[in-house]
Amino acid sequence: GQNIDQPTEMTATEGAIVQINCTYQTSGFNGLFWYQQHAGEAPTFLSYNVLDGLEEKGRFSSFLSRSKGYSYLLLKELQMKDSASYLCAVGYGGSQGNLIFGKGTKLSVKP
Amino acid sequence: DAMVIQNPRYQVTQFGKPVTLSCSQTLNHNVMYWYQQKSSQAPKLLFHYYDKDFNNEADTPDNFQSRRPNTSFCFLDIRSPGLGDAAMYLCATSTTGHEQFFGPGTRLTVL
Repeated sequence: GQNIDQPTEMTATEGAIVQINCTYQTSGFNGLFWYQQHAGEAPTFLSYNVLDGLEEKGRFSSFLSRSKGYSYLLLKELQMKDSASYLCAVGYGGSQGNLIFGKGTKLSVKP
Repeated sequence: DAMVIQNPRYQVTQFGKPVTLSCSQTLNHNVMYWYQQKSSQAPKLLFHYYDKDFNNEADTPDNFQSRRPNTSFCFLDIRSPGLGDAAMYLCATSTTGHEQFFGPGTRLTVL
């Protein structure tokens, strides 16, 4: 079956670093995506990993280990506007780019 | 700016009264997706079009139908909405195998 697990909620302080973990078991794998979703809004793309290792993009970094079925999203220098849900999603279905999403981690950034 | 547009942003319908949600894109992407997202849950893929080819997810109820008359437009038809169909409906587009771009969503209320 398809299963993606991530923590339901996390809290962190402004200026700090937070790591959001994601583990997955899926029948196919075309890459691991992270999306940010503010309340009542659509998801917006943050990062994509298809090979093992760390991808860095400004304050956000994402890591993948395919053998462990594990990824994390690292957010540095947290800002209040980073309060949102962070969705881990696995691509499957060959070239058609289908995604299966985790339920998301709701991050609250406190002053 | 190239974008994904959804209309209306908010839709209220009555139990059993058919409703159509629309999505248009200026990105010229070949794949278009419809997701259903209920509160605090992951977006759930209903179906997608790869060019003109329609792909239905196995667990999508027959009550949900879709049309894609051309590359730019895609419609979601709910034939007889039930209370359980109240949700945010997200349209997304992508080029083959790449990240998906989401529209702002249509929030559907069923009375």
